[in-house]
Order: sequence, then structure tokens, then C-alpha cells
Amino acid sequence: AQRVTQPEKLLSVFKGAPVELKCNYSYSGSPELFWYVQYSRQRLQLLLRHISRESIKGFTADLNKGETSFHLKKPFAQEEDSAMYYCALSDSGSQGNLIFGKGTKLSVKP
Amino acid sequence: DTGVSQDPRHKITKRGQNVTFRCDPISEHNRLYWYRQTLGQGPEFLTYFQNEAQLEKSRLLSDRFSAERPKGSFSTLEIQRTEQGDSAMYLCASSGTGVSGKLFFGSGTQLSVL
Repeated sequence: AQRVTQPEKLLSVFKGAPVELKCNYSYSGSPELFWYVQYSRQRLQLLLRHISRESIKGFTADLNKGETSFHLKKPFAQEEDSAMYYCALSDSGSQGNLIFGKGTKLSVKP
Repeated sequence: DTGVSQDPRHKITKRGQNVTFRCDPISEHNRLYWYRQTLGQGPEFLTYFQNEAQLEKSRLLSDRFSAERPKGSFSTLEIQRTEQGDSAMYLCASSGTGVSGKLFFGSGTQLSVL
């Protein structure tokens, strides 16, 4: 079954510390992986896609097919990074049915 | 605001009543999605439209739920004979045909069934 697991409900770090938000997936085909973010009182929005191999707001994520992981990383956390982060996957052949994890709340303390 | 808009923002209803939500997608987007989110969970896919055609429905979508997108623009989601378990945030999203998986979400409709 297709599944996305985010093992941490809450991750708390100090400003300037490195951040790693974990995401593991279960999927037998060729998934596309995404990170979505929801800042306080804002809408859920796309942060980055694995296929783009881009860095957004200092965040990167590498798809590791051997470990079926797509962890989100940032070397130096900022207070404005505090938000809810959701990992999601999509069947590369589908039209956008995303399967989301339960989310990790990142809290960056000053 | 040219983003996805949803109406109403909040809905309180009694068990057994019918409710209808509306979603207006970004105007140039031909794909429209409905998701449901409960506390402590990520969004769960309900259904998807490409233009006016409903192309995919989740098994989560019981026969009490119906969605329409009659002219390929706005969409409605109706829940008949609401149950307390229907209490959730109902999210609408839209996307174009370009970037796969890049959904633009609305602010959602929070449903409370008493």
C-alpha cells in the first residue's frame, strides 16, 4: 500500500541549528515526492519537489530510493521556518492524487 | 486575491442535515481537487476533476458525498445526512497542466457536526 510516514510530530531546534525533517515512503512504482509547508494562518503550499532538485528557502531534499526516504534538510534554521511540514507522494502516472504524511511541526526557538 | 477561494470558511450543522461547500479555483487551472483533513492528520484525497469530468474518487468518498464541477470552473461538495465523523477541514486545491504535483490550496471549510 502507498504510505508516507513522518515519524516526528514535533521537532524543536534553536535558531542557527541544522534541521532534518524525516520522511519515509512505501510505494512500489515510480513515485514523485514533495514537501508542502503551512505557515501559521496561511494556506498549505508547495515547498519543493524531488524532481526539480532545487533549494527553496535554504531547504533541500534528496530522494533515496534504497532507503525509501525523502528527508528535508536545512543547515541553519531560522525562526521564520517555524511551520507545519508535510511530505507527500504521487504516482508519476497519476494526475495529482497526493498521499500526505501526518506532518511534522517545526519550532525554531530564538 | 486571485488564489483558490472556498466558501463558507466555517459551517456548524446538526447531525443528519445536508451541507454544501463551494470552491472557486484559480481561473486558468483546469484541475480541481478536494481533500479532507482531520486533527493531527495530513490531507486525505477525496476526488479530482479535470475540467468538468470527475476522473478519480477515493474509497473514502461514501455515497453520502457528491461533488460536481458543472462548467469546469467552480466546484461544489455536498455531504448528505451528515455524521459526527464528517467533522473535518475540507480543502480544495487546483492546478494547471504544467508542473505535476504543484497544487494551490484554498483556506478550507471547517465543518463541525453536532
